[in-house]
Amino acid sequence: EVQLVESGGGLVQPGGSLRLSCAASGFTFSGYSMNWVRQTPGKGLEWVSYIRSSDSTVYDADSVKGRFTISRDNAKNSLYLQMSSLRAEDTAVYYCARSVGPLDVWGKGTTVTVSS
Amino acid sequence: EIVMTQSPASLSVSPGERATLSCRASQSVSNNLAWYQQKPGQGPRLLISGASTRATGIPARFSGSGSGTEFTLTISSLQSEDFAVYYCQQYNKWPRTFGQGTRVEIK
Repeated sequence: EVQLVESGGGLVQPGGSLRLSCAASGFTFSGYSMNWVRQTPGKGLEWVSYIRSSDSTVYDADSVKGRFTISRDNAKNSLYLQMSSLRAEDTAVYYCARSVGPLDVWGKGTTVTVSS
Repeated sequence: EIVMTQSPASLSVSPGERATLSCRASQSVSNNLAWYQQKPGQGPRLLISGASTRATGIPARFSGSGSGTEFTLTISSLQSEDFAVYYCQQYNKWPRTFGQGTRVEIK
């Protein structure tokens, strides 16, 4: 079964850091580009970051540029999102999603809350 | 950035009836448009890609149409499991952007 499982969410203070992980199974992870997408009640779904399978080219949303870093470890079938300088507006459910153009496989998400 | 606008924000439909959801892009996205379904507590599920191609396992009652800036998702005969929130997304340009969603509710 194709599956993505996110972990690493939690409560963090403004200005703090957090690292999210996404474990992939059921497919050849190294052959697919991957994304992080977040969802808040107020702003809906927001694409955050992308990493290409072939050369690890990265694209980031302007809202996270310079603060979030996407990376992958193909040997561990894992995707990561290192988040720093966190703000209240980064509070959201974070999903990892596989790219085939559209996002064809999604995880169930992990919740990040930025609050003092 | 390409702004995706969905209408209506919510739709009340009786089971067995037809539902028509719209999505408009602020500039052309060609046919690089996807539709997703999301139920409470779950991640979105891909329904349609390329504006009109059903994803694997998606029932034929779901159909997509349009190109350029105007797109439509039609659910021909709503089943109980179809009551959910539906999002469109363009994947023609960076940053990828989503519509704000249409909630399909039971009438």
